[in-house]
Amino acid sequence: DGGITQSPKYLFRKEGQNVTLSCEQNLNHDAMYWYRQDPGQGLRLIYYSQIVNDFQKGDIAEGYSVSREKKESFPLTVTSAQKNPTAFYLCASTRGVGLNTEAFFGQGTRLTVV
Amino acid sequence: AQSVTQLGSHVSVSEGALVLLRCNYSSSVPPYLFWYVQYPNQGLQLLLKYTTGATLVKGINGFEAEFKKSETSFHLTKPSAHMSDAAEYFCAVRHEGGSQGNLIFGKGTKLSVKP
Repeated sequence: DGGITQSPKYLFRKEGQNVTLSCEQNLNHDAMYWYRQDPGQGLRLIYYSQIVNDFQKGDIAEGYSVSREKKESFPLTVTSAQKNPTAFYLCASTRGVGLNTEAFFGQGTRLTVV
Repeated sequence: AQSVTQLGSHVSVSEGALVLLRCNYSSSVPPYLFWYVQYPNQGLQLLLKYTTGATLVKGINGFEAEFKKSETSFHLTKPSAHMSDAAEYFCAVRHEGGSQGNLIFGKGTKLSVKP
């Protein structure tokens, strides 16, 4: 079945560490996105990528980095510069960037700083 | 700038009662509107979307929403709540001139269903 796979489901990070969240899709979608979800805050866009080897900052990119070396993969690195990284992270993809395009989501990664 | 407001962060209904979740958007151009559902510790799943055409949109699990341009609203309804409807619901919008492909989400409404 086609879909988006995020791993790991739960991740614990010590302060000062960088961690990388994986996102893989087999939907052959061009565009991929990373959102951060905090209770009562909805979803906020961190980074997005419309094509391979290209990506743009979203609303809250500080302290995060991404790469898009392959169409199916869009990993997110949470760096030590991110002061409050504890959150639920969601990866999404769309076939294109048309306005009526449906976004498909992964199951999320819950990151906790210990 | 476009934005989405969901009135009520928490709504509680009895099983079998009407579900009404409110969503208002701000946009100076025609919007494309979406409702997503999220179960605990899960990703988001599309319930329905409005692009153009018929203003009453039917989605999965018996939900529907009506686009009212004059009220800038896109409220989600279901005639009879079921226990399995307990989840968090997000309204989202896109429009011309926004970041390519980006969805702007409301803060969500958590629906509880009482037996």
